[in-house]
Amino acid sequence: AQKVTQAQTEISVVEKEDVTLDCVYETRDTTYYLFWYKQPPSGELVFLIRRNSFDEQNEISGRYSWNFQKSTSSFNFTITASQVVDSAVYFCALTGGSQGNLIFGKGTKLSVKP
Amino acid sequence: GAGVSQTPSNKVTEKGKYVELRCDPISGHTALYWYRQSLGQGPEFLIYFQGTGAADDSGLPNDRFFAVRPEGSVSTLKIQRTERGDSAVYLCASSLYGGKTDTQYFGPGTRLTVL
Repeated sequence: AQKVTQAQTEISVVEKEDVTLDCVYETRDTTYYLFWYKQPPSGELVFLIRRNSFDEQNEISGRYSWNFQKSTSSFNFTITASQVVDSAVYFCALTGGSQGNLIFGKGTKLSVKP
Repeated sequence: GAGVSQTPSNKVTEKGKYVELRCDPISGHTALYWYRQSLGQGPEFLIYFQGTGAADDSGLPNDRFFAVRPEGSVSTLKIQRTERGDSAVYLCASSLYGGKTDTQYFGPGTRLTVL
């Protein structure tokens, strides 16, 4: 079965702290894609990153970085020097089949306090 | 350019009524997906359209749910005989070609409340 687990339900940090959001996945597919989306209080899911299963290179985009480790089936997301605007629910997702439908984790609610 | 749009943003209805939710994808996107998000959960897949046809409707919970995309652009999700358990945010997403290699872009959702 395909599954995404985000064990952290809620995280609260103070501005400028670094924070890592965990994502563990299960799949039998040899080729798959992993995603992170941000859902601010407005509700719209905002795409952050896509990673394919053959590319284990870590990625950095400004204050955001992602660590993909196939050996542990994890795709963790780190925000460096967090800001209040980072407060949102973050979802990790996995492609569920050849059609591309996504399987989401339950999300991690991040609160960044000033 | 314009993103995915969904109307209405909020819909309140009574148990047993029929509702239609509309999704307007990004122009030129051939693939369209519907998801449902219950409170405190991640979105759950309902149906996927490639062009005008439903390529995968395995996520529709029962036969009260139906969706169409007659011209390969706008899609309508239809729910008959609504139940209180149908209350959720219904999200629409589109992607350029569809399939697992493509990125899906989401609309703001329609919050459905069944009283």
